[in-house]
Amino acid sequence: DGGITQSPKYLFRKEGQNVTLSCEQNLNHDAMYWYRQDPGQGLRLIYYSQIVNDFQKGDIAEGYSVSREKKESFPLTVTSAQKNPTAFYLCASRLAGEEKLFFGSGTQLSVL
Amino acid sequence: RKEVEQDPGPFNVPEGATVAFNCTYSNSASQSFFWYRQDCRKEPKLLMSVYSSGNEDGRFTAQLNRASQYISLLIRDSKLSDSATYLCVVNLGSYIPTFGRGTSLIVHP
Repeated sequence: DGGITQSPKYLFRKEGQNVTLSCEQNLNHDAMYWYRQDPGQGLRLIYYSQIVNDFQKGDIAEGYSVSREKKESFPLTVTSAQKNPTAFYLCASRLAGEEKLFFGSGTQLSVL
Repeated sequence: RKEVEQDPGPFNVPEGATVAFNCTYSNSASQSFFWYRQDCRKEPKLLMSVYSSGNEDGRFTAQLNRASQYISLLIRDSKLSDSATYLCVVNLGSYIPTFGRGTSLIVHP
């Protein structure tokens, strides 16, 4: 079945640690996005990528990094510079020329 | 002013009621509009696109008012399963969708 897969579902980070959230899609979608959602809040854009080997900062990129070496993969690293990383992270993808977003099931990141 | 604003609610309605949500957007150049549904701690899923002429999908009706810069979602004959958060999404045409914070709906027996 085609879809977008995020892993892990739950992740815990220690102080000063970098952690990486995985996002893989087999939909052959061109664009991929990372959003952060805090309780009772909407989705805020962290990074997005319209094509392979290219990505752009969103509204809240500080403390995060991404790579897009393959079309199907868009991992997000939460660095130690992100002082308040506890949130629900959602990855999404979109086919070029279409506007519908397909989301992964999300990763809940918490700080130990 | 936030780009996309929604009343967070919650809207608490009995089964069978009709309920409507509005969403306002600040950028008059916005080109396309959507409603997504999100269940608690799940991923958002597209509910419906919003067209200028208004559109209906079963019990759901979406409207766009460009002059006043808002979109609306009307749900008729509410079901318990409609309980969720409804996210308003606006595209400027650069395929960078902007999400509202969502409106929470609780349908009770």
